[in-house]
Amino acid sequence: AQKVTQAQTEISVVEKEDVTLDCVYETRDTTYYLFWYKQPPSGELVFLIRRNSFDEQNEISGRYSWNFQKSTSSFNFTITASQVVDSAVYFCALSETRYNYGQNFVFGPGTRLSVLP
Amino acid sequence: NAGVTQTPKFRVLKTGQSMTLLCAQDMNHEYMYWYRQDPGMGLRLIHYSVGEGTTAKGEVPDGYNVSRLKKQNFLLGLESAAPSQTSVYFCASTSPGRADTQYFGPGTRLTVL
Repeated sequence: AQKVTQAQTEISVVEKEDVTLDCVYETRDTTYYLFWYKQPPSGELVFLIRRNSFDEQNEISGRYSWNFQKSTSSFNFTITASQVVDSAVYFCALSETRYNYGQNFVFGPGTRLSVLP
Repeated sequence: NAGVTQTPKFRVLKTGQSMTLLCAQDMNHEYMYWYRQDPGMGLRLIHYSVGEGTTAKGEVPDGYNVSRLKKQNFLLGLESAAPSQTSVYFCASTSPGRADTQYFGPGTRLTVL
């Protein structure tokens, strides 16, 4: 069965520090998708990125970057020069394409990031 | 487009009471989902629907019922609420061919006393 592990339950950093959130996944499929979502204190889920299993290129979007390594089944998320507004719970998620209806969308337990001023 | 909306945003129930959560989407999506979010556990799938008039069980369906009478709406019912159902409930939707990416509503915080 698929599984997503986020070993860091909580992380605290001081503003402007870089921080990396770890995500390790398990799947038997060769084709799958990985996601990161942000949940700010207001509670909504904000989609950050979707990456398919065939695209191992790292991606950078502003202060955010993602490092996907199939060899270690990891999809880590780095925030550079963190800001207080980055404080949130971040979820990594996995979706396997062999499930036709999306009913297998599996979330990790989340990492709570606190950025202190 | 409002996207995915949920009603109500907050609710407090007493044990044994019933209620219905409403999810509505205006993106003409075929597939809709109900999740619950509990601390340290991420989101878990309760029920889902692949089209009007169809529903199926997810990972944690016990104690919940659902209905999809209209394509744009997906209702989650609690017939006899229990404290274990205290949670944040999220609805999501997507379309065939894009079932790998789900669009989430803002959530409903439910407390059962």
